[in-house]
Amino acid sequence: QVQLQESGPGLVKPSQTLSLTCTVFGDSISSGSHYWNWIRQPAGKGLQWIGRISNSGNTNYNPSLQSRVTISGDTAKNQFSLTVSSVTAADTAMYYCARGSWFGELAFDYWGQGRLVTVSS
Amino acid sequence: EVVLTQSPATLSLSPGERATLSCRASQTVSNYLAWYQQKPGQPPRLLIYDTSKRATGIPPRFSGSGSGTDFTLTISSIEPEDFAVYYCQQRSGWPLFGGGTKVEI
Repeated sequence: QVQLQESGPGLVKPSQTLSLTCTVFGDSISSGSHYWNWIRQPAGKGLQWIGRISNSGNTNYNPSLQSRVTISGDTAKNQFSLTVSSVTAADTAMYYCARGSWFGELAFDYWGQGRLVTVSS
Repeated sequence: EVVLTQSPATLSLSPGERATLSCRASQTVSNYLAWYQQKPGQPPRLLIYDTSKRATGIPPRFSGSGSGTDFTLTISSIEPEDFAVYYCQQRSGWPLFGGGTKVEI
């Protein structure tokens, strides 16, 4: 059974860097044909895809966030991480990591429970 | 930029009724679309992928259809556990989500 678990600080000061890690159980981030994604959701609002990393370490980002976002992987720990720099209150959200699988098209079939990150001084 | 518009924003139903949720793309991207269900305090759960295929463990009362720019999620006879928010998702360069439909009692 595939499981994903987010971890990291729940409070970040404005202008600082948000850092989260997703640990994957039951699958390997370095094998298979899956993508490993970060998706966020402000309270009471919809979902926004942030970016992803492939099994070979290639990354893709949402153009609206690309200048501030980095996703990296640690295959030894079977983890992938997200950093968002220069955060503002608009970055306050629930952050989810999710596995993306290719069916006829990409869909997110396993999700972590989420990590609430608040940007506040 | 492609926009996915879901309607209605809120759907009020009684258990046993049929639910019909719409997702419209601003332009044709793909004939494939996914649907997710999200309950309060939980992450989204994949219901339907490739427009009409049910994900593992999803009951047959959930069905998806559509092509081009118009897609539909149908719940044939809604159960109490189905009251939730539903999102559609496609990929146009990068993954996009609709704004959601809340199905309430």
